[in-house]
Amino acid sequence: GNSVTQMEGPVTLSEEAFLTINCTYTATGYPSLFWYVQYPGEGLQLLLKATKADDKGSNKGFEATYRKETTSFHLEKGSVQVSDSAVYFCAYEGAGSYQLTFGKGTKLSVIP
Amino acid sequence: GAGVSQSPSNKVTEKGKDVELRCDPISGHTALYWYRQSLGQGLEFLIYFQGNSAPDKSGLPSDRFSAERTGGSVSTLTIQRTQQEDSAVYLCASSSGQGYYGYTFGSGTRLTVV
Repeated sequence: GNSVTQMEGPVTLSEEAFLTINCTYTATGYPSLFWYVQYPGEGLQLLLKATKADDKGSNKGFEATYRKETTSFHLEKGSVQVSDSAVYFCAYEGAGSYQLTFGKGTKLSVIP
Repeated sequence: GAGVSQSPSNKVTEKGKDVELRCDPISGHTALYWYRQSLGQGLEFLIYFQGNSAPDKSGLPSDRFSAERTGGSVSTLTIQRTQQEDSAVYLCASSSGQGYYGYTFGSGTRLTVV
């Protein structure tokens, strides 16, 4: 069946470190891919998205490239800040579907 | 409103009691979703409403769970005879169409069954 697998946390980084959170998916066709972020005490927010192969989504210094050949959508940021501490969820929506399937989330803690 | 509003933000209930959770979506959003977020389990799809179409209830975990959406706007998720395993954060989201456009999530209702 369709699924999303993302690296397990928690991840702890020092400020200004490089961040990678891996995400791979199993789906047929050409899904749309998303990263959502949940800051402490808040609801989920859309961070970035990509809707076709080789698209790069970007926002707030975060980037992710839709790689169909490896069915991946890894999240990266060159220099994390304390304010990036949150839980990050990878998700996809199948073509013609209306339902997001989420990974289990990766908790990121950035220390000064 | 400006965002998706959920109430209550926290609910503690005794095992066996019924609870109702409310969601006010963004005005004009035709699609409304309920998800459940359990510790270590990620987000679990529960139910989806789109306009006047019949809802997709395929994610509801048991017949104790039901949801309705009145007038294409406000939605209520009802859990009857609550069990301890129902303890979770229940999230509502709305969208103007498919998820391609991005869902807007509410802050959720944290349900604790004691």
